[in-house]
Amino acid sequence: NAGVTQTPKFRILKIGQSMTLQCTQDMNHNYMYWYRQDPGMGLKLIYYSVGAGITDKGEVPNGYNVSRSTTEDFPLRLELAAPSQTSVYFCASSYSSGGHEQYFGPGTRLTVT
Amino acid sequence: AQSVTQPDIHITVSEGASLELRCNYSYGATPYLFWYVQSPGQGLQLLLKYFSGDTLVQGIKGFEAEFKRSQSSFNLRKPSVHWSDAAEYFCAVGAAAGTASKLTFGTGTRLQVTL
Repeated sequence: NAGVTQTPKFRILKIGQSMTLQCTQDMNHNYMYWYRQDPGMGLKLIYYSVGAGITDKGEVPNGYNVSRSTTEDFPLRLELAAPSQTSVYFCASSYSSGGHEQYFGPGTRLTVT
Repeated sequence: AQSVTQPDIHITVSEGASLELRCNYSYGATPYLFWYVQSPGQGLQLLLKYFSGDTLVQGIKGFEAEFKRSQSSFNLRKPSVHWSDAAEYFCAVGAAAGTASKLTFGTGTRLQVTL
């Protein structure tokens, strides 16, 4: 049981490039989330999904896209990378809503130059 | 809208000393409250959570937190800190059951432990 896995661990992008951050969970959780973490800012929700085929915007969705074709996978797409997207990205999952614990992946550190 | 305030950005304590990390929340109904810990280069790990019932909640690694509705607070405590507790701690508030589980995190408190 690996929990939530994320790839890659580190990535450097040039401005305008695109990439996909991968996230997979093996806990059969319905809910999945993408956060970004910037120094001194805590975690901000980018997108979330309540099940396969259903996604919705969080607090800071601009510049990102997501899809959820399976229960296990929730990739995050950056289409035209900008320096403002330099951050650490965390994927998380939970069994249900409300007070259910969110389980976090180890994160992807992305630098856009 | 829900919000969380962690007024202390950085705290330093000596090993063996007691610890209290402050958390104040804003939410219109009964909140779900969480404390997470993040070690350097790692993801977040849940320390404890409060849904209802007993306002003093016990968590892992010897941590506890007390929910005080009148003060809108959920402070984290530990009677004796170990050097391995050095990390960043995040308080979070979640929406009530029945809605999408969107957590709002505080900005974090970095704990340094001196030997």
